[in-house]
Amino acid sequence: EAAVTQSPRNKVAVTGGKVTLSCNQTNNHNNMYWYRQDTGHGLRLIHYSYGAGSTEKGDIPDGYKASRPSQENFSLILELATPSQTSVYFCASGEQENYAEQFFGPGTRLTVL
Amino acid sequence: QQKVQQSPESLIVPEGAMTSLNCTFSDSASQYFAWYRQHSGKAPKALMSIFSNGEKEEGRFTIHLNKASLHFSLHIRDSQPSDSALYLCAVNTGNYKYVFGAGTRLKVIA
Repeated sequence: EAAVTQSPRNKVAVTGGKVTLSCNQTNNHNNMYWYRQDTGHGLRLIHYSYGAGSTEKGDIPDGYKASRPSQENFSLILELATPSQTSVYFCASGEQENYAEQFFGPGTRLTVL
Repeated sequence: QQKVQQSPESLIVPEGAMTSLNCTFSDSASQYFAWYRQHSGKAPKALMSIFSNGEKEEGRFTIHLNKASLHFSLHIRDSQPSDSALYLCAVNTGNYKYVFGAGTRLKVIA
């Protein structure tokens, strides 16, 4: 079964600070995704990647950057964190097929004070 | 932009009941339809998917898809307390991206 891990699992940051959320997958999937989950909104796509070196904007990319330095790792970067970015963030990976199942990590709970 | 809506927002059913969850989408070109289940504090996990009109059954779970009406649904037969979770529908239009609904929170009471 796909293994996707995230770190940290919980993070408290200050407004204006820089936050980096990390994701690692061990299944050699080409595609990786970052979502945030808020009550009433479900999962919303922030950034995604088709492979090492590629990043694409999702539906809500403002205030976020992404980095895919290798097949296994995909990071989400908040350069200037704001309280509105308080949320639970999920990373996912999947095969590069249109109908491929997505495998999710355990999530990171981020609180920006 | 693809819009995906789920109903109801929440649902409480007795153990053994049939549960029906609904999902509507806006893009008639959509090609892949899936349900994910998320237990409290856990990661979402794929439950079932369907590509063509009709229905698909796996154990107690059945998906119905009607592309013409832009609607698909999940039915759970003989609902169990362990089915209590947030159910998310997901729609893909063929570009590796998925749009998820806001979810239906299901509680099955013994």
